[in-house]
Amino acid sequence: DTGVSQNPRHKITKRGQNVTFRCDPISEHNRLYWYRQTLGQGPEFLTYFQNEAQLEKSRLLSDRFSAERPKGSFSTLEIQRTEQGDSAMYLCASSPGTQNTDTQYFGPGTRLTVL
Amino acid sequence: RKEVEQDPGPFNVPEGATVAFNCTYSNSASQSFFWYRQDCRKEPKLLMSVYSSGNEDGRFTAQLNRASQYISLLIRDSKLSDSATYLCVVNRPGTYKYIFGTGTRLKVLA
Repeated sequence: DTGVSQNPRHKITKRGQNVTFRCDPISEHNRLYWYRQTLGQGPEFLTYFQNEAQLEKSRLLSDRFSAERPKGSFSTLEIQRTEQGDSAMYLCASSPGTQNTDTQYFGPGTRLTVL
Repeated sequence: RKEVEQDPGPFNVPEGATVAFNCTYSNSASQSFFWYRQDCRKEPKLLMSVYSSGNEDGRFTAQLNRASQYISLLIRDSKLSDSATYLCVVNRPGTYKYIFGTGTRLKVLA
């Protein structure tokens, strides 16, 4: 399967614990996005990478959230000291970045539950 | 005014019906527009990009109205399998951000 993959698919954690999610984009896609989605809402932008550079970060992302894409391929999203309000689906999307319009392809997401 | 706004629905239509959704956006400088489809507890999947001249893909037609700042999606001859949430997406000019609407839920009834 050459689509976007995310791991783990589900994560249950206790409040205060740290969690890390991984995203493997479509090969050779140089653009990578992280989104968060809660029930009844559309995906909400968190951050954007072009190759290894993090070019944009939402103000919604508190200092407990950090993302990396060290070699311009896979990316990780870490949440420190999780809170119940962090419970959501975390979606990763990649784009080839070769067209004027930025068609994004989404992974299956990581569903986080904070108890 | 929300940056991207959609009627949440649900739109309940019989099989074979034609249904249309609109999505309004607030920034007149936006240049990129998309419709995505999302099934329950699944990831969004691209349905179609929306071009200035309008575009069609089988039973689906997307249009852009810059003057009134909305995009539309028309589905002809609805199938049961069209039941899903339809998300519109608009870029925020001057940033790398894409803003999603809350989605419009469609139920096609037998």
